[in-house]
Amino acid sequence: QVQLQESGPGLVKPSETLSLTCTVSGDSISSYYWNWIRQPPGEGLEWIGYTHHSGSTNYNPSLKSRVTTSVDTSKNQFSLKLSSVTAADTAVYYCAKWAGSLEAFDIWGRGTMVTVSS
Amino acid sequence: EIVLTQSPGTLSLSPGERATLSCRASQSVTSTHLVWYQQKPGQAPRLLIYGASNRATGIPDRFSGSGSGTDFTLTISRLEPEDFAVYYCQQYGSSPLTFGGGTKVEI
Repeated sequence: QVQLQESGPGLVKPSETLSLTCTVSGDSISSYYWNWIRQPPGEGLEWIGYTHHSGSTNYNPSLKSRVTTSVDTSKNQFSLKLSSVTAADTAVYYCAKWAGSLEAFDIWGRGTMVTVSS
Repeated sequence: EIVLTQSPGTLSLSPGERATLSCRASQSVTSTHLVWYQQKPGQAPRLLIYGASNRATGIPDRFSGSGSGTDFTLTISRLEPEDFAVYYCQQYGSSPLTFGGGTKVEI
C-alpha cells in the first residue's frame, strides 16, 4: 500500500519561498503522476499541479508563475517550491497520487500546515 | 477553466435519512473525469466515487454517484454517524483540474 508523507517548514516569511517534500513509500515514484493540492483554513481544495519522473509537469495557471516541482527518484521523493509567498498562501498542503486507471487521487498524504507570516 | 458549483452548501440531516448532493459544471464534463471525495475534520480527503458512478475500494454501497454532462449527484441512501463530513466533487476532463466548493453534511 502506497503511503505519502509531507515534510517542510511550518512557517515561511512573506516574499520567501515555500519548500515542501513528499516521501513516497510502498511503491516506486516512477510509476505515477504526483500532485500537490492545498486547502486554506476553513476553505475548499485547490489543485497546484503535478510532476512526473520523466520531467513532465502541469500547473494551475493561477500559480504557474511561482511554482516549481521536481522528482528525486533516488530518494523516492517529490518536491514543491512556491516563490514570493504571501498570507494568501497559508494553507494545509497535501501531496497526492494520481491513479490513471481511476482518473482520481486515490492516495493522499496527511497534509502539512504552512503559515506565511513575519 | 471548468467551474464546479456544489449545492447545497450545508445539508442538515439525521442518521438514517437520505442525502442528495449536487455538483454542476460550467461546461460539459465526461463522466470518466468526475470524482467525489469525503473529508472529515483534520483529515485528508478520501476517494469515494470515480468515473461519476464507480465506488472506490472499501466504500459502502450506501454511497452512489450518477449524472452526466453538466449535472452530477452523490447520494447517500441512509446516513450513518460516520458520514457526517464535507464532500467535494472534482473534474479533470479539462486542465486545470478543479474542485467544487464542497457540501457539508451535518447533523
